[in-house]
Amino acid sequence: GQNIDQPTEMTATEGAIVQINCTYQTSGFNGLFWYQQHAGEAPTFLSYNVLDGLEEKGRFSSFLSRSKGYSYLLLKELQMKDSASYLCAVEDSNYQLIWGAGTKLIIKP
Amino acid sequence: ETGVTQTPRHLVMGMTNKKSLKCEQHLGHNAMYWYKQSAKKPLELMFVYNFKEQTENNSVPSRFSPECPNSSHLFLHLHTLQPEDSALYLCASSQEDGGANVLTFGAGSRLTVL
Repeated sequence: GQNIDQPTEMTATEGAIVQINCTYQTSGFNGLFWYQQHAGEAPTFLSYNVLDGLEEKGRFSSFLSRSKGYSYLLLKELQMKDSASYLCAVEDSNYQLIWGAGTKLIIKP
Repeated sequence: ETGVTQTPRHLVMGMTNKKSLKCEQHLGHNAMYWYKQSAKKPLELMFVYNFKEQTENNSVPSRFSPECPNSSHLFLHLHTLQPEDSALYLCASSQEDGGANVLTFGAGSRLTVL
Protein backbone atom coordinates (compact mmCIF):
# COMPACT_ATOMS: atom_id res chain seq x y z
CA GLY A 1 0.00 0.00 0.00
CA GLN A 2 0.95 3.64 -0.25
CA ASN A 3 2.11 5.44 2.85
CA ILE A 4 3.40 8.81 4.01
CA ASP A 5 5.02 9.07 7.46
CA GLN A 6 5.67 12.27 9.36
CA PRO A 7 5.94 12.98 13.10
CA THR A 8 2.65 13.73 14.82
CA GLU A 9 3.92 16.67 16.84
CA MET A 10 7.08 18.71 17.33
CA THR A 11 8.01 21.53 19.67
CA ALA A 12 10.60 24.23 18.99
CA THR A 13 11.70 27.56 20.41
CA GLU A 14 11.12 30.97 18.87
CA GLY A 15 14.15 32.04 16.84
CA ALA A 16 15.45 28.49 16.44
CA ILE A 17 15.50 26.08 13.47
CA VAL A 18 13.29 23.02 13.09
CA GLN A 19 13.31 20.19 10.54
CA ILE A 20 10.11 18.26 9.81
CA ASN A 21 10.73 14.93 8.11
CA CYS A 22 8.52 13.07 5.68
CA THR A 23 9.16 9.57 4.33
CA TYR A 24 7.04 7.98 1.65
CA GLN A 25 6.34 4.69 -0.10
CA THR A 26 4.20 5.27 -3.16
CA SER A 27 3.42 3.74 -6.53
CA GLY A 28 5.67 5.99 -8.56
CA PHE A 29 6.53 9.61 -7.93
CA ASN A 30 5.52 12.80 -9.70
CA GLY A 31 6.33 15.37 -7.06
CA LEU A 32 6.16 16.18 -3.35
CA PHE A 33 4.24 19.04 -1.77
CA TRP A 34 4.31 20.75 1.62
CA TYR A 35 1.30 22.66 2.91
CA GLN A 36 0.85 24.73 6.06
CA GLN A 37 -2.45 24.69 7.96
CA HIS A 38 -3.16 27.01 10.88
CA ALA A 39 -5.86 25.83 13.27
CA GLY A 40 -9.31 26.50 11.82
CA GLU A 41 -7.92 27.71 8.51
CA ALA A 42 -7.33 26.42 5.00
CA PRO A 43 -4.16 24.53 4.13
CA THR A 44 -1.89 26.78 2.07
CA PHE A 45 0.81 25.71 -0.38
CA LEU A 46 4.41 26.07 0.80
CA SER A 47 6.66 24.18 -1.59
CA TYR A 48 6.97 21.65 -4.39
CA ASN A 49 9.92 19.34 -5.10
CA VAL A 50 10.20 17.04 -8.08
CA LEU A 51 13.99 16.83 -8.44
CA ASP A 52 16.50 15.89 -5.76
CA GLY A 53 17.95 18.73 -3.77
CA LEU A 54 17.05 21.76 -1.75
CA GLU A 55 14.49 24.40 -2.69
CA GLU A 56 14.79 27.58 -0.65
CA LYS A 57 12.02 30.11 -0.21
CA GLY A 58 12.81 32.73 2.40
CA ARG A 59 12.83 31.22 5.90
CA PHE A 60 11.47 27.93 4.58
CA SER A 61 13.39 25.29 2.61
CA SER A 62 12.34 21.87 1.36
CA PHE A 63 14.64 18.99 0.52
CA LEU A 64 13.99 15.85 -1.52
CA SER A 65 15.83 12.56 -2.00
CA ARG A 66 13.87 10.35 -4.37
CA SER A 67 16.20 7.38 -3.94
CA LYS A 68 15.55 7.41 -0.19
CA GLY A 69 11.87 8.29 -0.39
CA TYR A 70 12.56 11.18 1.94
CA SER A 71 11.87 14.87 2.25
CA TYR A 72 12.18 17.46 4.95
CA LEU A 73 10.85 20.95 5.52
CA LEU A 74 13.31 23.28 7.25
CA LEU A 75 12.03 26.34 9.05
CA LYS A 76 14.57 28.94 10.17
CA GLU A 77 14.28 31.89 12.55
CA LEU A 78 11.07 30.49 13.94
CA GLN A 79 8.28 32.89 14.74
CA MET A 80 5.20 32.32 16.89
CA LYS A 81 3.05 32.52 13.75
CA ASP A 82 4.78 29.39 12.44
CA SER A 83 2.77 27.36 14.97
CA ALA A 84 0.63 25.26 12.62
CA SER A 85 0.28 21.81 11.12
CA TYR A 86 2.52 20.94 8.20
CA LEU A 87 1.18 18.48 5.65
CA CYS A 88 3.35 16.39 3.34
CA ALA A 89 1.79 14.99 0.15
CA VAL A 90 3.20 12.94 -2.73
CA GLU A 91 1.76 12.71 -6.22
CA ASP A 92 2.00 9.12 -7.40
CA SER A 93 2.33 7.74 -10.93
CA ASN A 94 -1.45 8.08 -11.44
CA TYR A 95 -1.25 11.74 -10.41
CA GLN A 96 -3.13 10.93 -7.20
CA LEU A 97 -2.11 12.90 -4.12
CA ILE A 98 -1.18 10.72 -1.14
CA TRP A 99 -1.27 12.71 2.12
CA GLY A 100 0.50 12.34 5.43
CA ALA A 101 -1.45 12.91 8.64
CA GLY A 102 0.39 16.17 9.27
CA THR A 103 2.89 17.39 11.86
CA LYS A 104 1.65 19.80 14.49
CA LEU A 105 4.43 22.29 15.22
CA ILE A 106 4.30 24.12 18.55
CA ILE A 107 6.52 27.19 18.96
CA LYS A 108 7.40 28.26 22.49
CA PRO A 109 8.74 31.69 23.46
CA GLU B 1 -14.01 37.85 -3.33
CA THR B 2 -10.84 35.95 -3.96
CA GLY B 3 -9.65 32.37 -3.60
CA VAL B 4 -11.95 29.56 -2.54
CA THR B 5 -15.00 30.30 -0.42
CA GLN B 6 -16.93 27.68 1.52
CA THR B 7 -20.30 28.00 3.25
CA PRO B 8 -21.42 27.33 5.86
CA ARG B 9 -18.33 27.36 8.04
CA HIS B 10 -20.09 25.33 10.72
CA LEU B 11 -23.03 22.94 10.45
CA VAL B 12 -24.78 20.77 13.02
CA MET B 13 -27.29 18.26 11.74
CA GLY B 14 -29.24 15.27 12.88
CA MET B 15 -28.95 11.92 11.16
CA THR B 16 -32.26 12.40 9.34
CA ASN B 17 -31.56 15.92 8.05
CA LYS B 18 -30.67 16.97 4.52
CA LYS B 19 -28.17 19.79 4.08
CA SER B 20 -25.72 21.04 1.48
CA LEU B 21 -22.20 22.43 1.57
CA LYS B 22 -21.29 25.05 -0.99
CA CYS B 23 -17.92 25.92 -2.52
CA GLU B 24 -17.07 28.70 -4.94
CA GLN B 25 -13.70 29.41 -6.54
CA HIS B 26 -12.75 32.77 -8.04
CA LEU B 27 -9.44 31.64 -9.55
CA GLY B 28 -10.51 30.42 -12.99
CA HIS B 29 -9.28 26.92 -12.18
CA ASN B 30 -10.47 23.89 -14.16
CA ALA B 31 -10.57 21.31 -11.36
CA MET B 32 -12.41 21.21 -8.02
CA TYR B 33 -12.18 18.74 -5.15
CA TRP B 34 -13.93 17.65 -1.97
CA TYR B 35 -11.73 16.36 0.85
CA LYS B 36 -12.63 15.03 4.29
CA GLN B 37 -10.28 15.96 7.15
CA SER B 38 -10.54 14.08 10.44
CA ALA B 39 -8.32 14.70 13.44
CA LYS B 40 -4.88 13.12 13.17
CA LYS B 41 -5.73 11.42 9.88
CA PRO B 42 -4.53 12.14 6.34
CA LEU B 43 -6.75 14.12 4.06
CA GLU B 44 -9.22 11.80 2.32
CA LEU B 45 -10.09 12.65 -1.27
CA MET B 46 -13.83 12.25 -1.86
CA PHE B 47 -14.62 13.67 -5.30
CA VAL B 48 -12.82 15.38 -8.17
CA TYR B 49 -14.39 17.40 -10.95
CA ASN B 50 -12.42 18.45 -14.01
CA PHE B 51 -14.16 20.80 -16.44
CA LYS B 52 -17.41 19.98 -14.58
CA GLU B 53 -17.05 16.26 -15.21
CA GLN B 54 -16.62 13.97 -12.23
CA THR B 55 -13.32 12.15 -12.65
CA GLU B 56 -12.92 10.63 -9.20
CA ASN B 57 -15.21 9.04 -6.68
CA ASN B 58 -13.18 7.34 -4.00
CA SER B 59 -15.77 4.81 -2.85
CA VAL B 60 -17.67 7.48 -0.99
CA PRO B 61 -20.99 6.37 0.57
CA SER B 62 -24.06 7.43 -1.37
CA ARG B 63 -25.23 9.60 1.53
CA PHE B 64 -22.72 12.12 0.11
CA SER B 65 -23.78 13.44 -3.28
CA PRO B 66 -21.67 15.97 -5.20
CA GLU B 67 -22.90 18.47 -7.74
CA CYS B 68 -20.84 20.68 -10.03
CA PRO B 69 -23.12 22.98 -12.06
CA ASN B 70 -20.20 24.94 -13.58
CA SER B 71 -16.44 25.20 -13.24
CA SER B 72 -16.70 27.75 -10.40
CA HIS B 73 -19.21 26.07 -8.10
CA LEU B 74 -19.24 22.79 -6.25
CA PHE B 75 -21.80 21.40 -3.83
CA LEU B 76 -21.83 18.46 -1.46
CA HIS B 77 -25.33 17.30 -0.63
CA LEU B 78 -25.68 15.45 2.65
CA HIS B 79 -28.47 13.15 3.78
CA THR B 80 -28.96 10.51 6.48
CA LEU B 81 -25.42 11.00 7.72
CA GLN B 82 -23.81 9.03 10.55
CA PRO B 83 -21.97 10.44 13.59
CA GLU B 84 -18.67 9.17 12.12
CA ASP B 85 -19.19 11.59 9.24
CA SER B 86 -18.46 14.46 11.63
CA ALA B 87 -15.32 16.11 10.25
CA LEU B 88 -13.96 19.15 8.45
CA TYR B 89 -14.92 19.12 4.77
CA LEU B 90 -12.45 20.98 2.60
CA CYS B 91 -13.03 22.18 -0.92
CA ALA B 92 -10.06 22.88 -3.17
CA SER B 93 -9.41 23.96 -6.71
CA SER B 94 -6.44 23.75 -9.07
CA GLN B 95 -5.38 24.40 -12.63
CA GLU B 96 -4.57 21.02 -14.14
CA ASP B 97 -2.27 21.85 -17.04
CA GLY B 98 0.57 19.36 -16.79
CA GLY B 99 2.61 21.35 -14.30
CA ALA B 100 2.70 21.03 -10.51
CA ASN B 101 -0.91 20.54 -9.43
CA VAL B 102 -1.01 23.06 -6.59
CA LEU B 103 -4.28 23.03 -4.67
CA THR B 104 -5.93 26.16 -3.28
CA PHE B 105 -8.15 25.21 -0.35
CA GLY B 106 -11.13 26.84 1.23
CA ALA B 107 -11.28 27.25 5.00
CA GLY B 108 -13.61 24.28 5.29
CA SER B 109 -17.05 23.45 6.63
CA ARG B 110 -16.98 21.93 10.13
CA LEU B 111 -19.75 19.31 10.20
CA THR B 112 -21.14 17.77 13.38
CA VAL B 113 -23.66 14.94 13.06
CA LEU B 114 -25.70 14.26 16.17
